[in-house]
Amino acid sequence: GQQLNQSPQSMFIQEGEDVSMNCTSSSIFNTWLWYKQDPGEGPVLLIALYKAGELTSNGRLTAQFGITRKDSFLNISASIPSDVGIYFCAGLSGATNKLIFGTGTLLAVQP
Amino acid sequence: GAGVSQSPSNKVTEKGKDVELRCDPISGHTALYWYRQSLGQGLEFLIYFQGNSAPDKSGLPSDRFSAERTGGSVSTLTIQRTQQEDSAVYLCASSPTSGGAKTQYFGPGTRLLVL
Repeated sequence: GQQLNQSPQSMFIQEGEDVSMNCTSSSIFNTWLWYKQDPGEGPVLLIALYKAGELTSNGRLTAQFGITRKDSFLNISASIPSDVGIYFCAGLSGATNKLIFGTGTLLAVQP
Repeated sequence: GAGVSQSPSNKVTEKGKDVELRCDPISGHTALYWYRQSLGQGLEFLIYFQGNSAPDKSGLPSDRFSAERTGGSVSTLTIQRTQQEDSAVYLCASSPTSGGAKTQYFGPGTRLLVL
């Protein structure tokens, strides 16, 4: 199935560091989303982006929707141990609003 | 709780057996989605329901996979003659309407292992 290209695959950082991850697609999406998945749980929506060029913040999280509508990035500032998890980007596709997910970024934060 | 629930949480089966996975969406949500997450992979769309009908089945990987939804509520994903490559986490999400990704809520998933 179709997937978005997400990088890096994994990150191992110290508490307090800033983190950046990005997502690219060969197709245009009109809505980009960022999810976090904790072990044994389903993904939880962090940020939704609806307009090209849009920059949106949610606490320590900031995400931008690329002006070409083919990419997005997520920044996490001042990371804390509970930021550990897998982060997925996703594009909203078609009239049914199914989600096309990225390959995920595993984030590990060392206290 | 009022969230999406899935059962069983875990399922171990032998190759060739049939399995049924259940999703209970949030009450009143008309849209329901099934996704599959294989080891080391992202989530892949399987099928979308609006009410009891499935206008988008494009993600089902083979004719061994089928799903139904009854009463505009509970959905069952059936995998016939399971294969080892079917091992994955199967996630269900529901949404109040077909529009607005902000409202797509995921269940905890069913972890399927085919031996």
